Formats: sequence, structure tokens, C-alpha cells
Amino acid sequence: DIQMTQSPSSLSASVGDRVTITCRASQSISSWLAWYQQKPGKAPKGLIYQASKLESGVPSRFSGSGSGTEFTLTISSLQPDDFATYYCQQYNSYSSFGQGTKLEIK
Amino acid sequence: EVQLLESGGGLVQPGGSLRLSCTASGFTFSSSAMTWVRQAPGKGLEWVSGILGSDGGTYYADSVKGRFTISRDDSKDTLFLQMNSLGAEDTALYYCAKGAGSRSLRAEYWGQGTLVTVSS
Repeated sequence: DIQMTQSPSSLSASVGDRVTITCRASQSISSWLAWYQQKPGKAPKGLIYQASKLESGVPSRFSGSGSGTEFTLTISSLQPDDFATYYCQQYNSYSSFGQGTKLEIK
Repeated sequence: EVQLLESGGGLVQPGGSLRLSCTASGFTFSSSAMTWVRQAPGKGLEWVSGILGSDGGTYYADSVKGRFTISRDDSKDTLFLQMNSLGAEDTALYYCAKGAGSRSLRAEYWGQGTLVTVSS
């Protein structure tokens, strides 16, 4: 099975900050990676798919990059609504999620 | 509008069984891969199982292989997860998700989840 490792596990930042979250795969997954945002008590919401494609309706301050085994999710200028937990998911071989990154207000 | 409604969760004793259902609407169910994802209380997301829309191929996480069975009834637009030999580690909110295509296990749309609690 492919293991997905996110870093950091938690992150404190301020409104307006630029934030980057990293996701590493235990083997190459090409570009078959998605990013999700989850808020407490809610189902996850898709942000990015195929490593860098923005889901419909997602603000352009979110971007994704990477291929192979290393990927990043960047939020260019944090907004109050962005404080949540973020997960990566590989869907190259079966599927698996990273352990999550909790983004908190500093 | 895509809608996914999970049901069948509840309290079950260790070693017991439970069958989850997910009723879908708003898309062509038979053409879509479907996935089950779970989240233990206070923990992260864990992919559990997926079934393709193209050939019905099934896939499982190692943690549930041999105990859980995913299936679908395309005539009723319904996805199932039969869970046997349940243990405390299976306690979680179980989400049903629509795949982003007939062969993709990427979760494009999510239900609101059904809670499974394994306890004596």
C-alpha cells in the first residue's frame, strides 16, 4: 500500500499569511493526488485534484503542485474561512489519505 | 444535484456485523466508481474500500480486507458495505463518496456519514 505523509501535522498562521503544506508518497503516484479541506462536524470538501487542478468554485488563492512523490498545497493569502484541517489523498493505486494538517489561527 | 445518503450505522458488539447503505441521486450511479471513507472520533480520514463503475472491481484497505465487503445495486442506485468481525478499531463515522469517474477513487462528492460504534 502507498503511504502518504503530510507535514506539518499542525500549523499556526495569521490572516494574510502564505502557507504551504507538503504531502509525500511512499512511491510514485504520478499526479494522482487530491487535496481536501475539512471543518469540524462537516464532510471534507475537495480543493485540488490531479495535483494542480482547482475544483470548481474553489478560490484561486489555493494552488497545488508536484508530481511523483512530493506535492504541496499553497494558500497564498490566508482568509478567516481557511482555518481547517487539510488532507491529501492519492488515487493512483487503490487510495490512501495523509494524516492531516490542522491549520490554526495564530 | 448530487446527493448521497448513508444509513445503517449504530451500536454493535465486538465481533458483530453491520451493513451500511448509501443511496445516491443526481448522477448516473452505474457509471460512477464509489468509495467508503471512515473517520474515527478525533482522528483523520481513512480510505476503506472502493468499487469501480466500469467493471465492478473492488478494492480494500489492508485494515479491513477479509472482513468488509463492498457491493452495489445499480438498479437501486445504492452502495453497500458489509462489515463483519467488527472491533473497537472500526468505530468511526463512515462516509460514502462518489468517485470522479467510472474508474477513479478520488472522492468527488461526499455524504454526511453514518456513525458506527463498536462497544460491549
